Amino acid sequence: NAGVMQNPRHLVRRRGQEARLRCSPMKGHSHVYWYRQLPEEGLKFMVYLQKENIIDESGMPKERFSAEFPKEGPSILRIQQVVRGDSAAYFCASSPPGTGGPLSEQYFGPGTRLTVT
Amino acid sequence: GIQVEQSPPDLILQEGANSTLRCNFSDSVNNLQWFHQNPWGQLINLFYIPSGTKQNGRLSATTVATERYSLLYISSSQTTDSGVYFCAVERGADQTGANNLFFGTGTRLTVIP
Repeated sequence: NAGVMQNPRHLVRRRGQEARLRCSPMKGHSHVYWYRQLPEEGLKFMVYLQKENIIDESGMPKERFSAEFPKEGPSILRIQQVVRGDSAAYFCASSPPGTGGPLSEQYFGPGTRLTVT
Repeated sequence: GIQVEQSPPDLILQEGANSTLRCNFSDSVNNLQWFHQNPWGQLINLFYIPSGTKQNGRLSATTVATERYSLLYISSSQTTDSGVYFCAVERGADQTGANNLFFGTGTRLTVIP
């Protein structure tokens, strides 16, 4: 059973370009979460999605950031017009259908390290 | 949001020593997880432990939900235990921000041979 997959693992973008980060949840998982980790800090929640629905985007910056989890295919975190402050590690996590109890346990992917030059 | 504090922030151990890492949280929680972030940045699930005690090899964890803290015990530490240990909590289903994890700032552990 493959774990959470993220690609690319490393991404370099120049200021003003777009960054697209992809996440495939674990098999059988229908909940996807995105987190951002700045250097030397803990992870901060960005957005929680189920298939075709954004459930909670309270941690997403208001501008330039968007996320989707289509019916088919991976979840995508998109950052438009990147700036140097967007440089960070972006982690995706997934959990099984349902909520509460052990169904809440989240499993993390290896992350995408974004560097904006 | 909920506050999650971890202590100590940094810890240096001689190989073979034991240690206890602490996580305090400011509100009732539905879920608590411990993670190890290895030097390559990968997050590894250690425990899902909203309450009670669990053991896995040299590691064990205890959460006392009523007193809002959790402890991670590492026994007979090895150099491969080095990295950052994060505690993360999920708020109750009826609370704002339920379903997402709030992370502490971590304990950076260095085990020297």
